[in-house]
Amino acid sequence: DIQMTQSPSSVSASVGDRVTITCRASHVISSYLAWYQQKPGKAPKLLIYGASSLPSGVPSRFSGSGSGTDFTLTISSLQPEDFATYYCQQANSFPLTFGGGTKVEIK
Amino acid sequence: EVQLVESGGGLIQPGGSLRLSCVVSGFTVSNKYMTWVRQAPGKGLEWVSVIYSGGTTYYTDSVKGRFTISRDNSKNTVYLQMNSLRADDTSVYYCATGPPTGWYFDSWGPGTLVTVSS
Repeated sequence: DIQMTQSPSSVSASVGDRVTITCRASHVISSYLAWYQQKPGKAPKLLIYGASSLPSGVPSRFSGSGSGTDFTLTISSLQPEDFATYYCQQANSFPLTFGGGTKVEIK
Repeated sequence: EVQLVESGGGLIQPGGSLRLSCVVSGFTVSNKYMTWVRQAPGKGLEWVSVIYSGGTTYYTDSVKGRFTISRDNSKNTVYLQMNSLRADDTSVYYCATGPPTGWYFDSWGPGTLVTVSS
């Protein structure tokens, strides 16, 4: 199975800050990587797919990069609605696996 | 508009069985892959199972032999039959789907809570 390791597990930031979350895969997964945002009591929301593509409706302050085993999610200017937990997911092979999550908290 | 709505969760004793349903509107379940993802209380996301449009299924190791994913095209519904339930199956169960170009999930239901406890 492919293990996905996210860091940090939590980050405290202020509105307007730039936030970067990393995700490392235990095996090469090319660009088969997605990022999700989850708020308490809600289903996850797809933010990034194919490592760097944004679905329609996702704000451009979110961006993704990386390929192979190392990936990054960047929020260029944190907004109040961005405080949430973020997960990466490898989409290369079954079983599909998620990272442990990164909680973005208000500083 | 695409909508997925899960039901069937509840409190069940260890060793018991439960069937979850995911009623879909806005697309035909037989034309897309459908998946179940779960989340234990306060924990991260765990992929559980998928059923392809062609009917092929896959499971995560911890549920193989105990859970079965299926669908009823006439009801546009996907099911997760869960047998021999254990305490560590306690989770919110989400059904989800995504584009045919990749195993990414862009449509999710609100989830249904399964609690396995005596």
